[in-house]
Amino acid sequence: GAVVSQHPSRVICKSGTSVKIECRSLDFQATTMFWYRQFPKQSLMLMATSNEGSKATYEQGVEKDKFLINHASLTLSTLTVTSAHPEDSSFYICSAVRDFPSSYNEQFFGPGTRLTVL
Amino acid sequence: KNQVEQSPQSLIILEGKNCTLQCNYTVSPFSNLRWYKQDTGRGPVSLTIMTFSENTKSNGRYTATLDADTKQSSLHITASQLSDSASYICVVSVPILTGGGNKLTFGTGTQLKVEL
Repeated sequence: GAVVSQHPSRVICKSGTSVKIECRSLDFQATTMFWYRQFPKQSLMLMATSNEGSKATYEQGVEKDKFLINHASLTLSTLTVTSAHPEDSSFYICSAVRDFPSSYNEQFFGPGTRLTVL
Repeated sequence: KNQVEQSPQSLIILEGKNCTLQCNYTVSPFSNLRWYKQDTGRGPVSLTIMTFSENTKSNGRYTATLDADTKQSSLHITASQLSDSASYICVVSVPILTGGGNKLTFGTGTQLKVEL
């Protein structure tokens, strides 16, 4: 159990376009999901905390108007990179905290989405 | 300075050998310490989770230790396999004082390569 999926796994887009990435908890409900970004050979960096039914909480330095997060249900959060530019190219990973049963507030990670902006 | 430091940065070992990865942290207080395995181009997968009161936790060939006094943890891998080649990340979970929940602080990882 506790499987998290992301879609798409890879996306290539032109500069200036918007890209939506989906994060789904397949076999559990998750009130809280997290979005991370990872550059090559670096740690995961938390971008924002997504809470179902409320506005996301963004980390310092992350533009909320550029990275739109919607957590409309207990199993789905979406991250939209608006007006993407080459510097937004990265590996985006989501995680979900299982509501029940819960242990250690463990985050289950998705497989990641590789975004390349040309 | 990163609040979670890992060493070595990279490691190459022969298949079948054992190895130990180190993690030193300065974050305080912490809820728990986790070790994850991340294959290239994939999301992290949890190996072990330990609270401050636990000093060892095993998961198959993986054994993690924790010394909360010295703020050190280690991950020991026995009888390594080619499939163990990955990045191993030490993560400290810190309670969020306002609003509840936890925030994860990630180490930079140890890149392990297992060769024939």
